[in-house]
Amino acid sequence: DVKVTQSSRYLVKRTGEKVFLECVQDMDHENMFWYRQDPGLGLRLIYFSYDVKMKEKGDIPEGYSVSREKKERFSLILESASTNQTSMYLCASSPRFERPGTEAFFGQGTRLTVV
Amino acid sequence: AQSVSQHNHHVILSEAASLELGCNYSYGGTVNLFWYVQYPGQHLQLLLKYFSGDPLVKGIKGFEAEFIKSKFSFNLRKPSVQWSDTAEYFCAVNGGRGNNRLAFGKGNQVVVIP
Repeated sequence: DVKVTQSSRYLVKRTGEKVFLECVQDMDHENMFWYRQDPGLGLRLIYFSYDVKMKEKGDIPEGYSVSREKKERFSLILESASTNQTSMYLCASSPRFERPGTEAFFGQGTRLTVV
Repeated sequence: AQSVSQHNHHVILSEAASLELGCNYSYGGTVNLFWYVQYPGQHLQLLLKYFSGDPLVKGIKGFEAEFIKSKFSFNLRKPSVQWSDTAEYFCAVNGGRGNNRLAFGKGNQVVVIP
């Protein structure tokens, strides 16, 4: 079974703090993704990475950065947390989409509250 | 970049009713299409996917979807829903051919009344 593990299920942080969300996958997937999920807005792509040290901005990258130093690990960083970043954060991984039948696998999510 | 539209965010229906959820995407090239489901308190899981071939694809739990290229659509259907189909359903698109971005729609919250 593919496993995508996010380091925390729930986090509470203060405004202005630097926040790290960690994601690890065990299937040697090339692609990794970070989304935020908000009611009525669906999943919005923050950043994705298609290889080690490679990253691309998604649709809402402002206020976030990412790091991928090892293939299995993809970190999302909130440089200075703000209350509008309170959300559910989802990590996913997949093989490259050139391979027919590829799908993305999701972690359980991290519910972040910024107070 | 590709984008995905899902209509009728909230759907309420009775058991045994038929369900159809619309999905339209904007991307001119080859696409890979997906429907994911999120049951209450659980992580997203794949219902079905389309890469090529027969445009009518069958997934788990009796769901199917039809890819209509001319309409840029990938609608999800189930002939007879059960209470256990209560969930949020998301359509997703990947642009294919070296494009590894995966974009999702806003989702459909489906409630099935026993």
